[in-house]
Amino acid sequence: AQRVTQPEKLLSVFKGAPVELKCNYSYSGSPELFWYVQYSRQRLQLLLRHISRESIKGFTADLNKGETSFHLKKPFAQEEDSAMYYCALRAGGTSYGKLTFGQGTILTVHP
Amino acid sequence: NAGVTQTPKFQVLKTGQSMTLQCAQDMNHNSMYWYRQDPGMGLRLIYYSASEGTTDKGEVPNGYNVSRLNKREFSLRLESAAPSQTSVYFCASTPLGAAGLDTQYFGPGTRLTVL
Repeated sequence: AQRVTQPEKLLSVFKGAPVELKCNYSYSGSPELFWYVQYSRQRLQLLLRHISRESIKGFTADLNKGETSFHLKKPFAQEEDSAMYYCALRAGGTSYGKLTFGQGTILTVHP
Repeated sequence: NAGVTQTPKFQVLKTGQSMTLQCAQDMNHNSMYWYRQDPGMGLRLIYYSASEGTTDKGEVPNGYNVSRLNKREFSLRLESAAPSQTSVYFCASTPLGAAGLDTQYFGPGTRLTVL
């Protein structure tokens, strides 16, 4: 069975500071990794996926299979980045799109 | 498009009462999911439906039943509510189960309290 761990329940930074939200996973196969975000009073939505290797809202995340990690990074945090962030894993094969989520990290960016 | 809609938004039940949470999507998605969100636990999958006419258990199915009424609708039923089922419930849908087409679109959530 797969598992996703986000070790930080809360993370606080100041505006302009770099931010890194940690995500580690355990899965014996070849996973797909995602970051989902929930802003205040908004729906949970996809932020980025490792397959796309894209930067969304200044965030990037690299899949490190050796360390089984998929940390989310942004060089200069903005106040509007304050939100709940979930790391999620999709197993291969006939998983029918099922996701395993981490516990979530609440990011607060102070002015 | 409304996307994924859920009713009700809030509900308070007494222990032992039953209720059904409704979910509908207008995006012609094949797969639908029910999650519960609890502090410190993240989102946990209760049940999912890979396609119309099929349902299967997720990580925490005990105490719940589901019905995939048609391609649009996927309901979650609590037959005899317990305080441990106090949670925020999210419905989600995705176009297909295949890679690259599996972005999950979430509903606004239902906040359920069981006294």
